[in-house]
Amino acid sequence: GNSVTQMEGPVTLSEEAFLTINCTYTATGYPSLFWYVQYPGEGLQLLLKATKADDKGSNKGFEATYRKETTSFHLEKGSVQVSDSAVYFCALSERQAGTALIFGKGTTLSVSS
Amino acid sequence: DVKVTQSSRYLVKRTGEKVFLECVQDMDHENMFWYRQDPGLGLRLIYFSYDVKMKEKGDIPEGYSVSREKKERFSLILESASTNQTSMYLCASSPSVGGYEQYFGPGTRLTVT
Repeated sequence: GNSVTQMEGPVTLSEEAFLTINCTYTATGYPSLFWYVQYPGEGLQLLLKATKADDKGSNKGFEATYRKETTSFHLEKGSVQVSDSAVYFCALSERQAGTALIFGKGTTLSVSS
Repeated sequence: DVKVTQSSRYLVKRTGEKVFLECVQDMDHENMFWYRQDPGLGLRLIYFSYDVKMKEKGDIPEGYSVSREKKERFSLILESASTNQTSMYLCASSPSVGGYEQYFGPGTRLTVT
């Protein structure tokens, strides 16, 4: 079946460091891919998405490129801030109405000043 | 903006009680979902609904039921709460067309004692 694997955390960085969180997927067909972010005590917020191969999603300085050849959707940010400390989830959709997203287990990012 | 609201942020119940968690969305979405989130396990799908009065079991439906009498409202019911149902519960909604992303509520942290 379809699945998402993301790097285990926690990831601990200093402010202004470069961030990469790896995400790979297994899917039949052509899924849509997402990154969600969860700040402490809150629900999940959509951070960015990509719906086809070679698409790049971007938002708030974060980027991820849909790589079909490596089945990956790695999240990157050039310079992290303390306010980026959160849990990040990679997810895929099988692109069928009424189906749930398939999530990775989440990666905790902690940024110190 | 899409808004998904959940009836309580924090809830404490006793073992054996019947518990109702309510979720309301204001964007006329067809699909609604209930997940539970536990440390190390990520998000797990309990139930989802793709139309009024329709429901589908997710990965972990045991001990739960759901109700969807109106399009905007999706209720999760714990028939007889147990301590292993202590968790964070997240509701989400999505449209049947478009990019397949889901929009999440703030979550309900349920403690069963």
